[in-house]
Formats: sequence, C-alpha cells, structure tokens
Amino acid sequence: EVQLLESGGGLVQPGGSLRLSCAASGFTFSSYAMSWVRQAPGRGLEWVSTVSGSGINTYYTDSVKGRFTFSRDNSKNTVFLQMNSLRDEDTAVYYCATYTSSSASGYWGQGTLVTVSS
Amino acid sequence: EIVMTQSPATLSVSPGERATLSCRASQSVSSNLAWYQQKPGQAPRLLIYGASTRATGIPARFSGSGSGTEFTLTITSLQSEDFAVYYCQQYYDWPLTFGGGTKVEIK
Repeated sequence: EVQLLESGGGLVQPGGSLRLSCAASGFTFSSYAMSWVRQAPGRGLEWVSTVSGSGINTYYTDSVKGRFTFSRDNSKNTVFLQMNSLRDEDTAVYYCATYTSSSASGYWGQGTLVTVSS
Repeated sequence: EIVMTQSPATLSVSPGERATLSCRASQSVSSNLAWYQQKPGQAPRLLIYGASTRATGIPARFSGSGSGTEFTLTITSLQSEDFAVYYCQQYYDWPLTFGGGTKVEIK
C-alpha cells in the first residue's frame, strides 16, 4: 500500500523558515517524481514544486522561486521542502504527492498545515 | 503560464442525475489533463488522467473527454459520495496549473 506522510508544519513568523518532510512507502520511490501542492484556507489547489526521481531536476512556481528548495533522499524514501523567507500568503495545507508525466499525481499525503503569522 | 478555467463554479444536481463539468485551457495541453475530487478535510483523489483514463479504483460512472483546450468530466447517476469539489490540472508544461474548481452540491 502506498503511503505518504508529511510532517514539519506549524506556526512561524513572517520571514521565518520551516522544513517540511514527506516519508514515502509502498512503491519504488526513486522511480517517481514527487510534488508539493498547497491549499490556502478556503481556496483551491496550487502546485508548488516538483522534483525528479533522481533529484537532479526541480521545478517551482514563480511565487516561491528563490525562497523554497525541494530536495529528496532516495536512501531514506523522503522528500524535503525547505521554506525560507515565509510570507503570510504561504499559509496553507501542504500536500506531497507522487507525480508522473503520463499520469499526473496518483497518490497524496494527508497534508500538513503551515501558518505564517505574527 | 497555462491558465485553466473551470465552469460552472457551483453545480446543483439531484442524486441519480448526471453532472457535466467543464475545463478550458488557455492553450493546448494535448491530453495532459487530470481531474481530481476533493472532499472537505481530505486530500485530493485522482479520478482521471490523460484526459480520459480512469485511475485505479475509480467507478465507471466517472468519465473524461476532450483534448487540446476543451475538456469535460461527466458523472452519470450521481451518488451521495460524489458531492465534492472537482479540480482539473494540466501537466503539459511547467508550471503545472489547476483550475479554480467546481463544487458539486446536492440540489
């Protein structure tokens, strides 16, 4: 059974940093790209970032470029989202999800809430 | 950036009836289009990928069609568990983009 378990969310002040993790199991981790998708309270889904299976290629939405870094450790079946210079508008539930170019995001975690507030 | 536009924003349907949801892309995304269902407090669930292929375990009452810029998700004979918000997403080009969602509510 595929499982994705996010952790690391919480309350942080504007300008602060947070590191999200997503531990995966039940599939050949290194064969899958992984994505982060966020959802602000009462809003729709917003793609944030994707990292390739090897970790070599990363893609980001413009609003987080230069502030967020998406990485992975295939030896630990875990991905990480390092979030710096956080803004109020980064407040959201952050979901990690698998991603393939042929079948989009088939598996999702339960999400972790990030709240940026003073 | 490819902009995805969903319509209507809200669809009121009676149980047992058909629901037709639309998604339009600002430029061609070929068949690189997915549909997701999301219920309150839950993560999204993949329904359709490749514009028309049902994901594993998705009932046959869900079907997707279209290519290029115009796509449709059809739910025949709506069940109580189908009332939710539905999102389309293009994965043809970066950045990946979602539509704003269609809420299917009980009439």
